[in-house]
Amino acid sequence: DTAVSQTPKYLVTQMGNDKSIKCEQNLGHDTMYWYKQDSKKFLKIMFSYNNKELIINETVPNRFSPKSPDKAHLNLHINSLELGDSAVYFCASSHSGSLAKNIQYFGAGTRLSVL
Amino acid sequence: AQTVTQSQPEMSVQEAETVTLSCTYDTSESDYYLFWYKQPPSRQMILVIRQEAYKQQNATENRFSVNFQKAAKSFSLKISDSQLGDAAMYFCAYRSVSGTYKYIFGTGTRLKVLA
Repeated sequence: DTAVSQTPKYLVTQMGNDKSIKCEQNLGHDTMYWYKQDSKKFLKIMFSYNNKELIINETVPNRFSPKSPDKAHLNLHINSLELGDSAVYFCASSHSGSLAKNIQYFGAGTRLSVL
Repeated sequence: AQTVTQSQPEMSVQEAETVTLSCTYDTSESDYYLFWYKQPPSRQMILVIRQEAYKQQNATENRFSVNFQKAAKSFSLKISDSQLGDAAMYFCAYRSVSGTYKYIFGTGTRLKVLA
């Protein structure tokens, strides 16, 4: 069973379209994240939710909107896609408890290509 | 704000040899976690090793070990008996014990293993 699964793995779309990426974790974690990895492999945090509450919201265009329906799911919706949005998007999860090992587990990534 | 620096964009090592990847960080906190993640060409992010700042003993996982120098804010990764499968991007990461559960990643080091 995949611990953190995100769909789709690949997404090719035209500029101006709206798309969503879904993420689910079955680890019982209470914190989930979205990262963007650019072509130079730099990994940048975008958002984080703890118990369905937004706790990290980095400087990201408001075309990006995360949504956490429950602790196990964190989706990312992107409106009006631009060429610069092309990247690999990673979902991750961790447990925030004091006794937790605070290890972050990652999904396999979604490669988004905007044409 | 905390920062993580990996000053070696790329490293090479001969198979069966030992290589050390550097990581330095900046923080005013006394307690935190440090991690090394590996990203092979499959792009899956995999935890290699984890260190708690309050522990003086260096973490070890099979062929992987760290040299944690808290005063110097240095956290290097040593890979012994390098194997072809070790070829990947390696990311150093920092996480506060408290706060927003934000993980801060370095820019990565690409490790090539030569046969």
